[in-house]
This record gives sequence, structure tokens and C-alpha cells, in this order.
Amino acid sequence: EAQVTQNPRYLITVTGKKLTVTCSQNMNHEYMSWYRQDPGLGLRQIYYSMNVEVTDKGDVPEGYKVSRKEKRNFPLILESPSPNQTSLYFCASAVAQSYNEQFFGPGTRLTVL
Amino acid sequence: AQSVTQLDSHVSVSEGTPVLLRCNYSSSYSPSLFWYVQHPNKGLQLLLKYTSAATLVKGINGFEAEFKKSETSFHLTKPSAHMSDAAEYFCVVDNYGQNFVFGPGTRLSVLP
Repeated sequence: EAQVTQNPRYLITVTGKKLTVTCSQNMNHEYMSWYRQDPGLGLRQIYYSMNVEVTDKGDVPEGYKVSRKEKRNFPLILESPSPNQTSLYFCASAVAQSYNEQFFGPGTRLTVL
Repeated sequence: AQSVTQLDSHVSVSEGTPVLLRCNYSSSYSPSLFWYVQHPNKGLQLLLKYTSAATLVKGINGFEAEFKKSETSFHLTKPSAHMSDAAEYFCVVDNYGQNFVFGPGTRLSVLP
């Protein structure tokens, strides 16, 4: 089944404790992206990747890191999480051209205390 | 960069009545445009997309949207609302082929 998977689905952590949210897709998509969703703000893009070893900042990259060493994986790293990073996070993937549909993962709800 | 405005944060309709969710975008060219739906506690699903073909686009579940370049609009409509349409709807524009920009969303409530 074609899908985007994220792990963990739920995470409660404390300020400053490094964490990684994994994202994996099995559709051989070139494009992958991370978003955060906050009430009243819609989805805001954190980082995106057009292909392996190619990453770019989105609208809200501060406090986050990503890597794209393999086509299927695009982990999101929070080196020192803070409470303002409490949010719902979505990973998405798409075929290279932007006019193609994005496929979204189920989301990761992160709480930073 | 592109931007997207969704004019209503919340729309409430009665079951069986028409739905109109408004979206305007800013662009110096004709972008690709999308509508996504998010049901409560669910991920996002593509409803429809415009990619410079026909200006009236039909999507899933009876939804459609019309691209109007002169008005920079891409409003989403449905002739008759169903209870299952209650969800959050996002208008999305591609940003010069680089990435995607989401609108803030419109929450649709359907009253019995």
C-alpha cells in the first residue's frame, strides 16, 4: 500500500531533550516536506527536499533540522525542543513537479513541557 | 513568495444547502492550486487540483472549484452539503515550482 508513515504518532518530552521524528514513504517520490499545524494558522512549512541531499528552508525552519540521505526517508530533528514547538507535525511527499498531489502522513502530535 | 487568503475561518451551512468556501491567492503567474480536506483527527486528503487545464475543476465527493485568473480566486463549491462534509478545508498554491503554501483553513460545519 502506498503510504507515508511517521513515528512516533504521539510524543511528550521536556525542554532541551533532543528528539527525532521519522518520516518514510514507499512511493519513490522525489519531493518530501515537513509542516507544522497550529490552530488558526493552517499548515506552515518547516523544511522541504526536492531530492536526495537537497533540502531547503520553508517558512518556519528555526529550531529544526532535516536530512535527506535516502530517497524514502526525511527525518525531522529538534536539537533542543522548546514549548513553542508543541504542535501537530505532518510529513508529506510528492512526485517532483509541484503540480502533483502531496501525500500526507498521519501526523505526529508533539508536546514539549 | 506566493500567499493564500481564505476569507472565512468558519462557515456553517444546513444539510442539503450549497457550500461556498472562498480562496484568493497572490501570484504574478498562473500557479497550480489545490484544495485539501482534513476531517477531525485525520490526515489531509486531496479534494481537487488546478494545473492550467480546464478552469472548472471537479473533485471527489461532489466538490468543484473554478479558477478565475482575473479575480485571483479559486473558490470551492458543492451543490448540496452532507453531514460527512464537516471538516477543515485548506486552499494551497504552489510557490514558483519550489514548494507549497497553505491558506489558514476554513472550518465547515454542517447543521442537521
